[in-house]
Amino acid sequence: KAGVTQTPRYLIKTRGQQVTLSCSPISGHRSVSWYQQTPGQGLQFLFEYFSETQRNKGNFPGRFSGRQFSNSRSEMNVSTLELGDSALYLCASRYRVGTGELFFGEGSRLTVL
Amino acid sequence: AQTVTQSQPEMSVQEAETVTLSCTYDTSESDYYLFWYKQPPSRQMILVIRQEAYKQQNATENRFSVNFQKAAKSFSLKISDSQLGDAAMYFCAYRAQGGSEKLVFGKGTKLTVNP
Repeated sequence: KAGVTQTPRYLIKTRGQQVTLSCSPISGHRSVSWYQQTPGQGLQFLFEYFSETQRNKGNFPGRFSGRQFSNSRSEMNVSTLELGDSALYLCASRYRVGTGELFFGEGSRLTVL
Repeated sequence: AQTVTQSQPEMSVQEAETVTLSCTYDTSESDYYLFWYKQPPSRQMILVIRQEAYKQQNATENRFSVNFQKAAKSFSLKISDSQLGDAAMYFCAYRAQGGSEKLVFGKGTKLTVNP
């Protein structure tokens, strides 16, 4: 079966713009979480969703937001982009919270110029 | 807050040899989960092995095994019979019990396998 799909894989934006990243979980998975990966800070938890509800959020400014749709697909949005937002954004899905293996997508590489 | 520390930024091993990657963590919880993830250049994180803190027996998955020392808060990964395909970044991660998906990751160890 298809894995976790993230789009776009690569994108370049300029400071001040906004960006939306998409994540399609594995079919049947209802739990989706997001991570930011940078060389300096490593992997940091952004937020998690289950059944369209945000269950937990990491220590990121309000410019970072997300949502989950009824089909479990998730999007994250970053507004007013800053150079420091350049990162690999990883999405992961699981059948339900805390159960089973967590599967990661290949990530979306965001570059902010 | 929980923290995870990987003190070896880089490690190298000869093909067919054994290598151990170190990880320590800090938590005040008694029940939790620990993981080792592998991230090859393709970027996709892959679960290597997991350990439940309440289990005293060390987890094993084929050539991969862990040495879990709960009192010392240590969780090392041993890779036996190293293969070229084992070359990757390895991340140690912690997750509290209670249902949250939040993983706390270490900074990672880059493993090079020499032929």
